[in-house]
Amino acid sequence: GAGVSQSPSNKVTEKGKDVELRCDPISGHTALYWYRQSLGQGLEFLIYFQGNSAPDKSGLPSDRFSAERTGGSVSTLTIQRTQQEDSAVYLCASSAFLGGYTFGSGTRLTVV
Amino acid sequence: GENVEQHPSTLSVQEGDSAVIKCTYSDSASNYFPWYKQELGKRPQLIIDIRSNVGEKKDQRIAVTLNKTAKHFSLHITETQPEDSAVYFCAATGSGGSNYKLTFGKGTLLTVNP
Repeated sequence: GAGVSQSPSNKVTEKGKDVELRCDPISGHTALYWYRQSLGQGLEFLIYFQGNSAPDKSGLPSDRFSAERTGGSVSTLTIQRTQQEDSAVYLCASSAFLGGYTFGSGTRLTVV
Repeated sequence: GENVEQHPSTLSVQEGDSAVIKCTYSDSASNYFPWYKQELGKRPQLIIDIRSNVGEKKDQRIAVTLNKTAKHFSLHITETQPEDSAVYFCAATGSGGSNYKLTFGKGTLLTVNP
């Protein structure tokens, strides 16, 4: 596609439920990244994919967070047993070369 | 890993004045330094970047300077306009296996007053 697509754009979930966030990167972009942005805060790195493998998953906050990427394209970030502190905007980005990120519009997750 | 510090956290200027935002980084092997602009409720967008083999880059009213020895880089906006109001993030790459990953500063909220 023309840009990075994320879905859903907004998600409200009850504490303890599992959620899946989807990212569809720009076609041909080999690298895909997930970041988290809490209200008024900076961009917190979660995980990075090169193709279907994740060379760096050091930013995942706990074992409740996981991510996968299939076919070198779509990625899914899964949060199990959501907690209120998981509420944030989850941003996905993709790039074809070093550093040239294009961000999606994000998924705003609210845990109530 | 890489650590990026950004200052100031907020900056208020009068329309037409210049604005300067500064960042420092910790990993001397970092070689790519982009700046992103994020308007309220929108996605971050790349506005300018610089690689470690140059010291300065300009694009109209925006310029970035890099001092590799001191490990700092700065964003300069001249003749500011109200539409420049946004949060600006600096970033740097690390080295080794995660050299595609950007580490971001905590952002600067720039307000340009008409």
